Amino acid sequence: GQNIDQPTEMTATEGAIVQINCTYQTSGFNGLFWYQQHAGEAPTFLSYNVLDGLEEKGRFSSFLSRSKGYSYLLLKELQMKDSASYLCAVDDYKLSFGAGTTVTVRA
Amino acid sequence: GAVVTQHPSWVICKSGTSVKIECRSLDFQATTMFWYRQFPKQSLMLMATSNEGSKATYEQGVEKDKFLINHASLTLSTLTVTSAHPEDSSFYICSARRATRGVETQYFGPGTRLLVL
Repeated sequence: GQNIDQPTEMTATEGAIVQINCTYQTSGFNGLFWYQQHAGEAPTFLSYNVLDGLEEKGRFSSFLSRSKGYSYLLLKELQMKDSASYLCAVDDYKLSFGAGTTVTVRA
Repeated sequence: GAVVTQHPSWVICKSGTSVKIECRSLDFQATTMFWYRQFPKQSLMLMATSNEGSKATYEQGVEKDKFLINHASLTLSTLTVTSAHPEDSSFYICSARRATRGVETQYFGPGTRLLVL
């Protein structure tokens, strides 16, 4: 079975940094995705990690440790528009999603 | 990036009717598409994997006779909710896999919101 855990909610102020952790125990692993989902909309792709280490894309970075079954998404210089749900998904050809972390950015 | 569309974007229907949702990949061919369902404040749950030219693979607990999937071409998959009931009201999202620079990514459609009265 698939077990993917991430915090339910996080709150941060504009301009700050927030780190969303994701731990997983899955039967297979072909990589890990992070998606952003605004309320009422479909998820949009943020990042993909298949090898250990840090992937940086602008204000967003994602880290993976396969031996620990652990990933995090780092959001820097937070903006109000970053308020959304962030989904961790493990790829075993088909995606298994965590429950999502709702990030609220306050002024 | 890759574009996946869905039609309709929202639908309201009476209980007992059937509803068809289309998922198209606009600028690439997708031999495999996925159908998800998302209830309010919950994560996406995979319903089935749609394979072009063959039968869909359904996840445990998903009734294949109720949720009919047809992947008739490399750019189109359809999900038909048969004899819809109020508990089928949900946000239905499709996705398609595409390899870009050796990385396979799933691109999601905008979703279809279904309300069964």
